[in-house]
Amino acid sequence: NAGVTQTPKFQVLKTGQSMTLQCAQDMNHNSMYWYRQDPGMGLRLIYYSASEGTTDKGEVPNGYNVSRLNKREFSLRLESAAPSQTSVYFCASSKGWGSFDTEAFFGQGTRLTVV
Amino acid sequence: GENVEQHPSTLSVQEGDSAVIKCTYSDSASNYFPWYKQELGKRPQLIIDIRSNVGEKKDQRIAVTLNKTAKHFSLHITETQPEDSAVYFCAASKPGTASKLTFGTGTRLQVTL
Repeated sequence: NAGVTQTPKFQVLKTGQSMTLQCAQDMNHNSMYWYRQDPGMGLRLIYYSASEGTTDKGEVPNGYNVSRLNKREFSLRLESAAPSQTSVYFCASSKGWGSFDTEAFFGQGTRLTVV
Repeated sequence: GENVEQHPSTLSVQEGDSAVIKCTYSDSASNYFPWYKQELGKRPQLIIDIRSNVGEKKDQRIAVTLNKTAKHFSLHITETQPEDSAVYFCAASKPGTASKLTFGTGTRLQVTL
């Protein structure tokens, strides 16, 4: 049981390049999330998917797109990377869909540097 | 939207002492308040959570209290140990089909020998 798995763990991009961060969970969770973590700012929600087939913006969605590929996978795409997107990105999942169990499980994170 | 404030940003205690971290939230509709521990270079992991129908919850050396009227909740760690050193985040979410968490800015706890 791997939980939430993210790839890659580290990435360096040049300004203007694009990339996709991959996330998969094997806990049969309905809801998935992408957060970014910056020093002194905690974790901020970028996008989320309450259930397969739906996606919604979070607190800081500009510059990102997401795809809920199926129930297991939720990807985050940077179309044209900017230095302001240098951050640690965490994917998370929870049972969601009206479940009383709301614990969110996090992946190991992706450290992204945009130069 | 929801706003969660967390204090202090850093906290240093001696081994065996207690540590208290406080958070306030703005949206009275929030009903779920988890605390996450994040060790250096690791993922955040849930250590304890509380729902709005409960005022206090304990798990061994860790306890969380919630004051819905004042909209604040606190993490209490007793008999601190060096392995408690980490960054702690509080968070809040509202009822719904997804647990969208709004996080505080974190408290770096250092337990010294």
